[in-house]
Amino acid sequence: DAGITQSPRHKVTETGTPVTLRCHQTENHRYMYWYRQDPGHGLRLIHYSYGVKDTDKGEVSDGYSVSRSKTEDFLLTLESATSSQTSVYFCAMHAGADSPLHFGNGTRLTVT
Amino acid sequence: DQQVKQNSPSLSVQEGRISILNCDYTNSMFDYFLWYKKYPAEGPTFLISISSIKDKNEDGRFTVFLNKSAKHLSLHIVPSQPGDSAVYFCAAAVAGGANSKLTFGKGITLSVRP
Repeated sequence: DAGITQSPRHKVTETGTPVTLRCHQTENHRYMYWYRQDPGHGLRLIHYSYGVKDTDKGEVSDGYSVSRSKTEDFLLTLESATSSQTSVYFCAMHAGADSPLHFGNGTRLTVT
Repeated sequence: DQQVKQNSPSLSVQEGRISILNCDYTNSMFDYFLWYKKYPAEGPTFLISISSIKDKNEDGRFTVFLNKSAKHLSLHIVPSQPGDSAVYFCAAAVAGGANSKLTFGKGITLSVRP
């Protein structure tokens, strides 16, 4: 919706394996974000990007890395997945500081 | 330390009545506030926002009130409809920066009974 898609929608992986989640947007928006949603915690910011090759850490960035080689793609990588990273991951984008975030439909990740 | 607080995890109201969802914040630098609505298996969708220069913003059945001195905002839904049943997130940001990273509350589950 709103030109932003996430893949995969569901993934089950084993502890210690690398995982990459993809976010793709067709709006040419500069700003993109990765959030995770967990019961009792709401949405917490993992990493964000304000342009190609410009990224920064959010409040829960440990264990995650991101890359933005093209405006339309923002990748989230778990180098070595842990059970604590079982969560629903949401990508979001917006055009600028005073415009609301538009979210993708999420990726449900289970680490066994 | 949680900067955006939604202290009530759930709310149940009768169809046609008013729903009032509350949110408190602690960071006095926040000057842009938003409400998002989330259905199961979908991403949050933007509902309504308010900047700190206003104390009220209305959009159809939805009105957001901001009390800066109390660091409190509320979302009023009148009249409530069964389709409003969802999780509602309050969010806040410091507007005007290079990017306004949103800080979210934990969410409140609204159930509207037919």
